[in-house]
Amino acid sequence: DAGITQSPRHKVTETGTPVTLRCHQTENHRYMYWYRQDPGHGLRLIHYSYGVKDTDKGEVSDGYSVSRSKTEDFLLTLESATSSQTSVYFCAISEQQGVGNQPQHFGDGTRLSIL
Amino acid sequence: AQKVTQAQTEISVVEKEDVTLDCVYETRDTTYYLFWYKQPPSGELVFLIRRNSFDEQNEISGRYSWNFQKSTSSFNFTITASQVVDSAVYFCALSEAGSSTGNQFYFGTGTSLTVIP
Repeated sequence: DAGITQSPRHKVTETGTPVTLRCHQTENHRYMYWYRQDPGHGLRLIHYSYGVKDTDKGEVSDGYSVSRSKTEDFLLTLESATSSQTSVYFCAISEQQGVGNQPQHFGDGTRLSIL
Repeated sequence: AQKVTQAQTEISVVEKEDVTLDCVYETRDTTYYLFWYKQPPSGELVFLIRRNSFDEQNEISGRYSWNFQKSTSSFNFTITASQVVDSAVYFCALSEAGSSTGNQFYFGTGTSLTVIP
């Protein structure tokens, strides 16, 4: 199994509070991603990173920010959580581009509930 | 427009039946990659297969097989002699030619497979 740890695994919080989710990898992979999974939508990309301090927006980035100060850590922050951000969040990693696009490997997910 | 369409939302089969999960994709790139992932009830996402756009050979791995047809932009997944442990949500994903900034994946909405004992 890819060495990916997401924390916390579960969180319940109130609307308007800031929330930070952490993704930690031990694989030294260059690329890291944050997705959210919602019924009827599959997985949608929030933000991704292609190196330390290098990040870019995905399909559903509004209301989220990310930071990557070290290769192994990728943080996702909800500055002011809203109920629409209740979801399951997955972190993924993939290797340096070599012979084609490599598969992404996923963490176990964080279930976030915003009341 | 959806880049990956999995039209089957839910499928139920009786154990030992064969089942095919459909995946249709849309891209203008000539180089792209297709993937299948499995999400069992425990929630983790498990990588099953990667196929590049230049390799149309079908692939078989045990009871699993994949049929890639560029002419119909489809990458279908068949489970032969299904088992209860195959019950899961299956996702198809597309990744277009990578750049130095990373390879974005576009996921379908998933097909929930239930195998009835």
